[in-house]
Amino acid sequence: DIQMTQTPSSMPASLGERVTISCRASQGISNYLNWYQQKPDGTIKPLIYYTSNLQSGVPSRFSGSGSGTDYSLTISSLEPEDFAMYYCQQYDSSPPWTFGGGTKLELK
Amino acid sequence: EVQLVESGGGLVQPGRSLKLSCLASGFTFSNYGMNWIRQAPGKGLEWVASISSSSSYIYYADTVKGRFTISRDNAKNTLYLQMTSLRSEDTALYYCARRGGRTPYFDYWGQGVMVTVSS
Repeated sequence: DIQMTQTPSSMPASLGERVTISCRASQGISNYLNWYQQKPDGTIKPLIYYTSNLQSGVPSRFSGSGSGTDYSLTISSLEPEDFAMYYCQQYDSSPPWTFGGGTKLELK
Repeated sequence: EVQLVESGGGLVQPGRSLKLSCLASGFTFSNYGMNWIRQAPGKGLEWVASISSSSSYIYYADTVKGRFTISRDNAKNTLYLQMTSLRSEDTALYYCARRGGRTPYFDYWGQGVMVTVSS
């Protein structure tokens, strides 16, 4: 199975700051990488699919990039509603489709 | 508006069974693949099972294979997860999620239903 390692596991940050969350796969995943946001109440919503495609309705301050084994999610200028958990998910080849361990974005 | 509403969770003893349901609305249920994804308390997300729109393709995580069965009733717009031989490590919040297209991109999620396995 492909393992996904997210770093950092937690990140204190300030409003307006630019932040980047990283996700590394245990083998190349050919850009088959999605990102999700989970709010403290458990609500999960998709952000980005296939490495860099923004889900409809997601603000343009969110962006994704990467290739091979290394991928990242960047938020260009943090808004109050962005403080949440973020997960990457790979879907290269057959199941299981695996998630990273998550990154908690906290207010500094 | 797409809605996914899970039900059927609760407290169950180890070794017993439980069946979860996910009622879908706001879209043509029979056109989409569906999934169960879980989150143990304080942990990350774990994909559990997937079923294609016509039930032709079904996949399971190794951790539940042989114990859990995913199914759907397109006439009732409902997804199911039959869980048997439950273990303490199955304790989690179980989410129902729609597959957004041909790829495993989960574009809509329910609010989740809690399953606690304990004696």
